[in-house]
Amino acid sequence: AQKITQTQPGMFVQEKEAVTLDCTYDTSDPSYGLFWYKQPSSGEMIFLIYQGSYDQQNATEGRYSLNFQKARKSANLVISASQLGDSAMYFCAMRVGGGADGLTFGKGTHLIIQP
Amino acid sequence: EAGVAQSPRYKIIEKRQSVAFWCNPISGHATLYWYQQILGQGPKLLIQFQNNGVVDDSQLPKDRFSAERLKGVDSTLKIQPAKLEDSAVYLCASSSVEQGTPYEQYFGPGTRLTVT
Repeated sequence: AQKITQTQPGMFVQEKEAVTLDCTYDTSDPSYGLFWYKQPSSGEMIFLIYQGSYDQQNATEGRYSLNFQKARKSANLVISASQLGDSAMYFCAMRVGGGADGLTFGKGTHLIIQP
Repeated sequence: EAGVAQSPRYKIIEKRQSVAFWCNPISGHATLYWYQQILGQGPKLLIQFQNNGVVDDSQLPKDRFSAERLKGVDSTLKIQPAKLEDSAVYLCASSSVEQGTPYEQYFGPGTRLTVT
């Protein structure tokens, strides 16, 4: 069975600083995808970034980058130049296999950006 | 393009009552998912449909939960009878092989259920 572990329940970061949110995963399937979602207090899940297990380079999307260390089974999210609007819950998730299977989510990290 | 629609947004019921949630996925998305998100936790997959067939319902409490996706478009999730521990946000998501990141899931706004 697959598992996602997020060990930081909450984080406080000063505005404009970079922040790293930790995520480790466990699966025996060689083909998998890793996702990060943002969930503001309004409740919607917003897709941020995706990394496939066979991707050679770390994924980047604007201020978001994914630090993918396959041997360590980690997929940390890095947010550069944090903004007040980044305050939200952040979830790491995994899909096993190459198809459209459902996601396994971690428990999330509550990020608060302070001015 | 319209996103995933869900209704109602909020529902309060007493235990042992029944409740139904509705989801309309993004047009053309063949795969539809229902997740349960208990307060303070990440979403948990309840059931996955591919068109109108069930792909995975291994985590669906089948003694009280049921779901259907007639005609491969809209879906309904039902709880009967509800228990206190069913209080959660129920999220619907859809995905398409042709759109977005490989099988990226687009989520609806969710239905917040409170069972008293």
